[in-house]
Parts: sequence; structure tokens; C-alpha cells
Amino acid sequence: DAKTTQPNSMESNEEEPVHLPCNHSTISGTDYIHWYRQLPSQGPEYVIHGLTSNVNNRMASLAIAEDRKSSTLILHRATLRDAAVYYCILRDPALGGGTSYGKLTFGQGTILTVHP
Amino acid sequence: SAVISQKPSRDICQRGTSLTIQCQVDSQVTMMFWYRQQPGQSLTLIATANQGSEATYESGFVIDKFPISRPNLTFSTLTVSNMSPEDSSIYLCSVERSGSGYTFGSGTRLTVV
Repeated sequence: DAKTTQPNSMESNEEEPVHLPCNHSTISGTDYIHWYRQLPSQGPEYVIHGLTSNVNNRMASLAIAEDRKSSTLILHRATLRDAAVYYCILRDPALGGGTSYGKLTFGQGTILTVHP
Repeated sequence: SAVISQKPSRDICQRGTSLTIQCQVDSQVTMMFWYRQQPGQSLTLIATANQGSEATYESGFVIDKFPISRPNLTFSTLTVSNMSPEDSSIYLCSVERSGSGYTFGSGTRLTVV
């Protein structure tokens, strides 16, 4: 699986935007970029995913570099409830054969702390 | 996105015993995934459970230790067998939803004493 690199931790103040970076220099042409977050004592939660174009949804925006070797998850206005571990994951939906299709490989993620 | 009910939410077990964790999804899915999250660590995939066939295990995980059942398209169980304190972790199930990413259960927090 292609690897991603994220900072171990980041801090933000409430109501301010947060830009969470992810490097994936070995990304393949068919890899989708997924972001998940894990709040304390909960299972991971889907945030957003994209392939080439920037993506927006109600939770966040995903900015993908033109060469796709990096991406940034943008939380437009951080709240205390956004404090979580954020995971950037590459997934190739073209993988078949049953065994590896669909699985997510988690890295260590970025611990986001939001200050009031 | 899918709703997943995972039971039990937590348990404290004696070493040498086994615990079966249940995962119920609110609609049919082809594949279900079981993960382990050791204290302070990220998630590690244990196995993929496909209905009607044997589960596929990741490197480092074996069927004798983590037997999995998948009797239908909405249900799966993971058993942690012959437990030791090293098995103390959070165990999570997950399913994929087309266009909506993956949904995870809330996890089973297992403590082995």
C-alpha cells in the first residue's frame, strides 16, 4: 500500500481554520485520498475523499496538489468537537481478488488539539 | 451511511478464556472488516470477512486465535481466543458504503486480566 506522512500533532484555536497536511509522494494514478478522524473513545469517522479535484462537503474541504503527491484537509472553523486524530489514507479501489479489496491501512495520523 | 451495532462495548476477561464480539449492520454488505487498536496506537486490520467464504487474515493474525463467522450479509462475529493481557485492545468492525467511505462500529474495549 502507498504510504502517507502526516505531522504527529497540530494545534488550533477555536473558530480558526485548520489545515492538516498529508504527503503521499508514492501515490498511484488510481489511489483515492481518504480522510478519517477518530474522536476520543469512538471508532473512526469518514470525513472526505477525493481523487484529483478539490472536494467540499459539510464537514471539510480537501485540497489536492496538482501532482497529487500531497493533500490538505481544511476545517474552515475549528470547534472543540473537532479535536481528534485525523488519518490520511490512500485506497486503490481497483485492487481486486477479494483479500485486499476495500481495506484501509491506517498510519499514525495527526492529533489535532483545539484550544478554546 | 451505514449504522453498525457492535457488542459488547467493553469487557474484562480472565486470561485463557475467549470472547466473541458481534457486529450487526443495518443493511446488506459484501465485506466486513475487523480491526484492532492497541492502547495509544493506530488501527490494524485483522481480517476481511466475506459472506459465504472463509475470512482472509492479514499478516500476523491467524484463524485459530481470531476465528470469524459471517453467516449472512448483515452480521459477523470475531472471537478472541485463549486471551492473554497482550490482547487487551479495542476491536472494531467496519463496512464500506459506496460513495460514503467506510463506517466503523463504536468498538469493543477488551481488558484481559
